[in-house]
Amino acid sequence: AQSVTQPDIHITVSEGASLELRCNYSYGATPYLFWYVQSPGQGLQLLLKYFSGDTLVQGIKGFEAEFKRSQSSFNLRKPSVHWSDAAEYFCAVGDNYGQNFVFGPGTRLSVLP
Amino acid sequence: DVKVTQSSRYLVKRTGEKVFLECVQDMDHENMFWYRQDPGLGLRLIYFSYDVKMKEKGDIPEGYSVSREKKERFSLILESASTNQTSMYLCASSPPGAQRAFFGQGTRLTVV
Repeated sequence: AQSVTQPDIHITVSEGASLELRCNYSYGATPYLFWYVQSPGQGLQLLLKYFSGDTLVQGIKGFEAEFKRSQSSFNLRKPSVHWSDAAEYFCAVGDNYGQNFVFGPGTRLSVLP
Repeated sequence: DVKVTQSSRYLVKRTGEKVFLECVQDMDHENMFWYRQDPGLGLRLIYFSYDVKMKEKGDIPEGYSVSREKKERFSLILESASTNQTSMYLCASSPPGAQRAFFGQGTRLTVV
């Protein structure tokens, strides 16, 4: 069965510091991987996605993620965090039919001024 | 841009009431989803639909039903609301194939 784990429930970083949010997945076939961000009281917005090809993918708002098949990981990174990045971040895995999305529990990011 | 619209941002209902949550998408997507979001649990799939009048149970369908009479509209029904159904409900849609899901803004339902 598909599953996604995000080991960190809550992370706090200072503005300007670098960020890495961890995501591990379990999936029997080629995974389609996503990172979404949710600002308070809002729906989910797609940050980036990986289907195939280059294992380092660039997304919106200066985020990037690296797919590592050997570690079953898809960690999200940003070199310099802004206060507006404070939100909840969800990693997800999907299939090639666009029907089976499994989400991780989320990581809440707080940013200190 | 794809738009997924949920009819209410906030709802307060009484225990035992029948509750309808409506979701409309404007991009002719085949797939539509209802998720429930609770702290520490992430998003859990309640039901999804891959075509008009077609539905599949997700991970937590108990206490819920759905209706999809038109392609653009997917309704979530709480037959008899209970306090443990107090939650954030998120609707999403996606086209077929390995594509992303597009989300509505969510409905925060409180059952008192």
